[in-house]
Amino acid sequence: RKEVEQDPGPFNVPEGATVAFNCTYSNSASQSFFWYRQDCRKEPKLLMSVYSSGNEDGRFTAQLNRASQYISLLIRDSKLSDSATYLCVMNTGFQKLVFGTGTRLLVSP
Amino acid sequence: GAVVSQHPSWVICKSGTSVKIECRSLDFQATTMFWYRQFPKQSLMLMATSNEGSKATYEQGVEKDKFLINHASLTLSTLTVTSAHPEDSSFYICSARDHQAGNEQYFGPGTRLTVT
Repeated sequence: RKEVEQDPGPFNVPEGATVAFNCTYSNSASQSFFWYRQDCRKEPKLLMSVYSSGNEDGRFTAQLNRASQYISLLIRDSKLSDSATYLCVMNTGFQKLVFGTGTRLLVSP
Repeated sequence: GAVVSQHPSWVICKSGTSVKIECRSLDFQATTMFWYRQFPKQSLMLMATSNEGSKATYEQGVEKDKFLINHASLTLSTLTVTSAHPEDSSFYICSARDHQAGNEQYFGPGTRLTVT
């Protein structure tokens, strides 16, 4: 079983839509979690950290559910520029990051 | 924010040759740098952890004699792919941790290697 699992998508949504991604992880000892965004042929960029109490940054909301071992990302009022691959990432300790394969989002006009 | 550069951004080499990729932290010191590899439509996979002044720690399945890592200064780590083969063609990305600014890793722009 993969350490981090994501639905690869693509998720095709119109501008203005709300879209949510989930990610499950297998290592219950994982310490911290993140969502990264990766554009085609580019490096990943940190979107936001994920906390059990929830974390909101503008149109983006991330949530961690340790009991069920999943994290989520909600994007409200989607923009064309949100089109990218969203990577679910966990830190297993010693700063080692484990990446999911990503969920591809396509926002259309 | 912190900046990490990589050089070259892309390289094409012939099978059997060696290629060196540089990763630099431009505005901070990085005692730890990480090297990742990403094949098309796959996730980033950690190859090794590079520590300044000591030997790198390789992940399981990564050949240390094939992927030579040197972290001789606090701002530079290099990855040398020796005797490259077409299956080594991939996107190589480094990241650096600013130990004075929490735990965030800053990623370089990546190096696309094509072995013909």
